[in-house]
Amino acid sequence: EAAVTQSPRNKVAVTGGKVTLSCNQTNNHNNMYWYRQDTGHGLRLIHYSYGAGSTEKGDIPDGYKASRPSQENFSLILELATPSQTSVYFCASGDLGGISYEQYFGPGTRLTVL
Amino acid sequence: AQKVIQVWSTTSRQEGEKLTLDCSYKTSQVLYHLFWYKHLLSGEMVLLIRQMPSTIAIERSGRYSVVFQKSRKSISLVISTLQPDDSGKYFCALWELMSNYNVLYFGSGTKLTVEP
Repeated sequence: EAAVTQSPRNKVAVTGGKVTLSCNQTNNHNNMYWYRQDTGHGLRLIHYSYGAGSTEKGDIPDGYKASRPSQENFSLILELATPSQTSVYFCASGDLGGISYEQYFGPGTRLTVL
Repeated sequence: AQKVIQVWSTTSRQEGEKLTLDCSYKTSQVLYHLFWYKHLLSGEMVLLIRQMPSTIAIERSGRYSVVFQKSRKSISLVISTLQPDDSGKYFCALWELMSNYNVLYFGSGTKLTVEP
């Protein structure tokens, strides 16, 4: 079974502070993703990566940066956190095996920006 | 434009009932997959079912099944004999085969409450 872990699981930050959310996967998947989930919006893609060293903007990248230093690790960085970034953040890894694709999610990080 | 549409944002049922959650999607791709995920109250996101257009649904649990209507671009999740543990938020998602572009599109989710 796929294994995606996130840290921290809960975070309270102050407006203007820097926040780093970390994600680790042991599936050897090339693709990794960061989503946020807000009521009424479902999951929205912030950034994703095709492999180590690559990051791509998703649908809502403003205010976020991402870093993929290795195959296993993918970080989401909020340089100047704002209350509008209060949300639950999910990391996921996925890959295309033949014609079959599947994406595995981490347990989520609940971020509150005061 | 929204590629995956879940009309119901919330619903509630009694234990033992059967529930159908609707989802419609938009795609012009020949190869795509559809997924139903459940967001547990614990925060975990669990894959329930994956449907490929050319195959029978792969069920993750005996109580979960899908009604897939390819021509209508509709996939409904059916949960039989509801239990309180079925409470949670259910997401429908679409993956399209595009070169170097493996991204899932999610619907807005349906929150289910099952009353004992």
